[in-house]
Amino acid sequence: DAKTTQPNSMESNEEEPVHLPCNHSTISGTDYIHWYRQLPSQGPEYVIHGLTSNVNNRMASLAIAEDRKSSTLILHRATLRDAAVYYCILHVGNEKLTFGTGTRLTIIP
Amino acid sequence: DSGVTQTPKHLITATGQRVTLRCSPRSGDLSVYWYQQSLDQGLQFLIQYYNGEERAKGNILERFSAQQFPDLHSELNLSSLELGDSALYFCASSVDGGSGNTIYFGEGSWLTVV
Repeated sequence: DAKTTQPNSMESNEEEPVHLPCNHSTISGTDYIHWYRQLPSQGPEYVIHGLTSNVNNRMASLAIAEDRKSSTLILHRATLRDAAVYYCILHVGNEKLTFGTGTRLTIIP
Repeated sequence: DSGVTQTPKHLITATGQRVTLRCSPRSGDLSVYWYQQSLDQGLQFLIQYYNGEERAKGNILERFSAQQFPDLHSELNLSSLELGDSALYFCASSVDGGSGNTIYFGEGSWLTVV
């Protein structure tokens, strides 16, 4: 399975931007970078995904390095509702999503 | 609301019993996935179906089986249940399982084996 590396945990102040890093040095040319988040006792929630170019949606932005070996999920203004485990995943071809341990994001009021 | 519907939401059953978890994918989605998440554990992929056919298999026990029906809903059957099978079981769906497609997860079925 394609491998990603994320910090185990991060903290951020409420209403501040949050940058969640992810390394994926073994990424292949057709692998998409997906981000999901999971609140306690809930199903994973899609956040954003991209291939090569930076992506923006109403939830977040995804900044992808030029060599594609790393990416950063950006939450522009964190709220308490953004406290969750964030998973960076490489989606390979028609294969399943393989979840790692993710980054537990704590938002400080 | 992801559009993926799972039933039942909660289930308590005894060891040795058999249960069936049901999943209705988002309208138009052909691919269905099942994941297991035990307490404080990560999400473990069990199995994937695409348009009625098994596409990928993960860490699914022989006591577990699944199928996807012609109307695209899926069922996960868990038999000879053990205490360790207590977990949240998630169903997810996507249009065709391709890497550029979003996978949407249901809210899960809580299974407690006593």
